[in-house]
Amino acid sequence: KAGVTQTPRYLIKTRGQQVTLSCSPISGHRSVSWYQQTPGQGLQFLFEYFSETQRNKGNFPGRFSGRQFSNSRSEMNVSTLELGDSALYLCASSLTMGLGAYEQYFGPGTRLTVT
Amino acid sequence: SQQGEEDPQALSIQEGENATMNCSYKTSINNLQWYRQNSGRGLVHLILIRSNEREKHSGRLRVTLDTSKKSSSLLITASRAADTASYFCATAPTTTNYGGSQGNLIFGKGTKLSVKP
Repeated sequence: KAGVTQTPRYLIKTRGQQVTLSCSPISGHRSVSWYQQTPGQGLQFLFEYFSETQRNKGNFPGRFSGRQFSNSRSEMNVSTLELGDSALYLCASSLTMGLGAYEQYFGPGTRLTVT
Repeated sequence: SQQGEEDPQALSIQEGENATMNCSYKTSINNLQWYRQNSGRGLVHLILIRSNEREKHSGRLRVTLDTSKKSSSLLITASRAADTASYFCATAPTTTNYGGSQGNLIFGKGTKLSVKP
């Protein structure tokens, strides 16, 4: 089975712009989660989608949004970029969701640099 | 917000030695998972231990869980240079709406392991 894929792998944007990142989960996985990883804050949960619905959301401002399509592929969008949004954005898929979370399979990440 | 705290933050050992990493957490959990991350890449799932389990093995990995102390340890035996990576514990809390997520994984800040050949 192919793993989780993320595009693009690297991105450079300037402050105020917006960006869209894409994630394709493992075939058959219906849950997609997004995480932001920075040296200072570590890995922080952004949101989770299951069957095209956002099920869980972390403590991030409304500039961070996402969606999931009927084929389980997911996108996340960050509007009005700030320097502090520079991070590695990781997407993970799993078979299911909810309490008693199953193991997650991560993509290689998208490295976003905001200048 | 962070739930797990790994200890130590960094660990340097020689090939062939054992490496032990510890993780403490704050709330009741359904399970605890360990992941490995090679420099700036995606995370790889290593092992999952459920709250009613006390010990689990997978190859050279041994994980223990003490729910009374809210702590877990990861032991890598006979380490290899290829084990050099950051290791994270992640908890699936039972408390709903913890940190804004209902049952999703909460990661610690990780232990950076360096295995010298």
